[in-house]
Amino acid sequence: QLHLQESGPGLVKPSETLSLTCTVSGGSISSSGYYWGWIRQPPGKGLGWIGSIYYSGSSYYNPSLKSRVTISVDTSKNQFSLKLSSVTAADTAVYYCARHAVGTMYHFDYWGQGTLVTVSS
Amino acid sequence: QSALTQPASVSGSPGQSITISCTGTSSDVGSYDLVSWYQHHPGKAPKLMIYEGSERPSGISNRFSGSKSGNTASLTISGLQAEDEADYYCCSYAGSSTLVFGGGTMLTVL
Repeated sequence: QLHLQESGPGLVKPSETLSLTCTVSGGSISSSGYYWGWIRQPPGKGLGWIGSIYYSGSSYYNPSLKSRVTISVDTSKNQFSLKLSSVTAADTAVYYCARHAVGTMYHFDYWGQGTLVTVSS
Repeated sequence: QSALTQPASVSGSPGQSITISCTGTSSDVGSYDLVSWYQHHPGKAPKLMIYEGSERPSGISNRFSGSKSGNTASLTISGLQAEDEADYYCCSYAGSSTLVFGGGTMLTVL
């Protein structure tokens, strides 16, 4: 059974960079055909797609966040990561990592439990 | 890229059917049969209920069904059960390797 677990600081100061890691267990992140993604949910709001990365390293981002987001993959550690720069209070959210279904980036079939990141001084 | 529009809340009694709408544009919902639906119980991981508009993943009850008409996708839950009470989100492919989610709908089982 595939398991995804987000980890990283729960508190980030404004203007700094938010960094999160998703550790994948029960399967290989370098398995052919899979995309891996990040989604967030601000308090009291809906889900929002941040971006996704193909197992080979090609990445795709939400146009509204593209200038501040970097998603990378570390196959040796079976992890992929999110970096969001110049954060503000509006970036406070529960951040989820998820796996897209094989061969497609159109939907997610496995999700992590999510981790709350608060942006505050 | 604007969020897809969903009703904030819907409700129904056990055994009834409800439908949640998800309205987008001709650039996302209207152009692709690639809408997915997720059930989200607060504090837990979202769960895929429908993909590619009307397909159910293995293990998902056939009480859940999806459809689309024009720029609006819909999720129908028949034979409503107490455990169906949750937040539901739609998500559509929006072209150029991007995705867009809906604002979410809170389902209350009366």
